[in-house]
Amino acid sequence: AQTVTQSQPEMSVQEAETVTLSCTYDTSESNYYLFWYKQPPSRQMILVIRQEAYKQQNATENRFSVNFQKAAKSFSLKISDSQLGDTAMYFCAFLFGAGSYQLTFGKGTKLSVIP
Amino acid sequence: EAQVTQNPRYLITVTGKKLTVTCSQNMNHEYMSWYRQDPGLGLRQIYYSMNVEVTDKGDVPEGYKVSRKEKRNFPLILESPSPNQTSLYFCASSSWTRSNYGYTFGSGTRLTVV
Repeated sequence: AQTVTQSQPEMSVQEAETVTLSCTYDTSESNYYLFWYKQPPSRQMILVIRQEAYKQQNATENRFSVNFQKAAKSFSLKISDSQLGDTAMYFCAFLFGAGSYQLTFGKGTKLSVIP
Repeated sequence: EAQVTQNPRYLITVTGKKLTVTCSQNMNHEYMSWYRQDPGLGLRQIYYSMNVEVTDKGDVPEGYKVSRKEKRNFPLILESPSPNQTSLYFCASSSWTRSNYGYTFGSGTRLTVV
């Protein structure tokens, strides 16, 4: 079975500091897609960053970057210069296999940015 | 504006009273899906559709029905809602291309069954 694990139910970070959210997964597939979604109190699901498993280079989007360790099956999200607007639930999600369209989500990490 | 539109945003109903949550996308996406979100469980897939008239069960399909008669619409039907279906529901759509892969989500429907 393909599983996604976010081991940190809640985290907090001081404004302007850096925080890393962890995500691990288990799959026997060789090609897959990885995502981080943000869900603020408005509950909208917002795509933060995405990565294809075959790409060696880690994805970066402004203050958000990932550390993708394929051998370790790890996909962590780093948020630099944390801002109050980063307070949200963060979900990692995977699309396992080239022909699959089912997103598998982790259970989420609640991040609080403290002024 | 490219978007997925869900209605209603909030719904309170009584046990056993049939209801429909609508979902519509304006991006001509082939693939659409319904998820439910519960505290501590993340999002779980209920049903999905690969194209018109093609639907299949996700991980938690019991108590739900769907239909895909038109490409843009994918309603979620609860024939006889029960309190354990109280949840936050999301519709999502996707059309996979190498340069633009991912899902667009609706704004969610908060359903309470009493």
